[in-house]
Amino acid sequence: AQTVTQSQPEMSVQEAETVTLSCTYDTSENNYYLFWYKQPPSRQMILVIRQEAYKQQNATENRFSVNFQKAAKSFSLKISDSQLGDTAMYFCAFMKMGGATNKLIFGTGTLLAVQP
Amino acid sequence: DSGVTQTPKHLITATGQRVTLRCSPRSGDLSVYWYQQSLDQGLQFLIQYYNGEERAKGNILERFSAQQFPDLHSELNLSSLELGDSALYFCASSVRTSGPSSYNEQFFGPGTRLTVL
Repeated sequence: AQTVTQSQPEMSVQEAETVTLSCTYDTSENNYYLFWYKQPPSRQMILVIRQEAYKQQNATENRFSVNFQKAAKSFSLKISDSQLGDTAMYFCAFMKMGGATNKLIFGTGTLLAVQP
Repeated sequence: DSGVTQTPKHLITATGQRVTLRCSPRSGDLSVYWYQQSLDQGLQFLIQYYNGEERAKGNILERFSAQQFPDLHSELNLSSLELGDSALYFCASSVRTSGPSSYNEQFFGPGTRLTVL
């Protein structure tokens, strides 16, 4: 079974600064996807960024980038130039590639507060 | 707006009661997933349907059941409710993206907040 671990329950960063959220996972699969989802106070789940395990290049989406270390089973999210609107709960998630289901397995989340 | 709708937005009920949560997927999406977000259990997968058939089950209690109808909307039925069933219930639908790294991208609805008193 796959597990996802986020060891930072809460983090705080100053506006315009850079912050890194950590995520580790455990799986015996070789092909999978990893995701970061954002859940703002509205509770809507918003996809931030996606990484395919077979790609060595780290994914980037504007101010968001990941550091994917497959051997170490580590998948951290870096937010650059933090903005007040980045304040949210961030979830790391795993999805097995192929198979009968594409369910998401989530970590426990990191609550990020961006301070003015 | 993800295009996935869930009703009702909020539901308050008493222990022992039964409720039905409804989800309408995005147009054309054949898969529907149900997730539960609670303080105790975090965000966890409950069940998936694909084109009317059950595809996978997660940590779904026997008191809970779901179905997907021919028009592809889905309902999650929760019975004999307990205080611990209070949670935010999400529905997501998925479509396979195109390209060499295609995958089933999930789009989440706004959730139904269930409070059991």
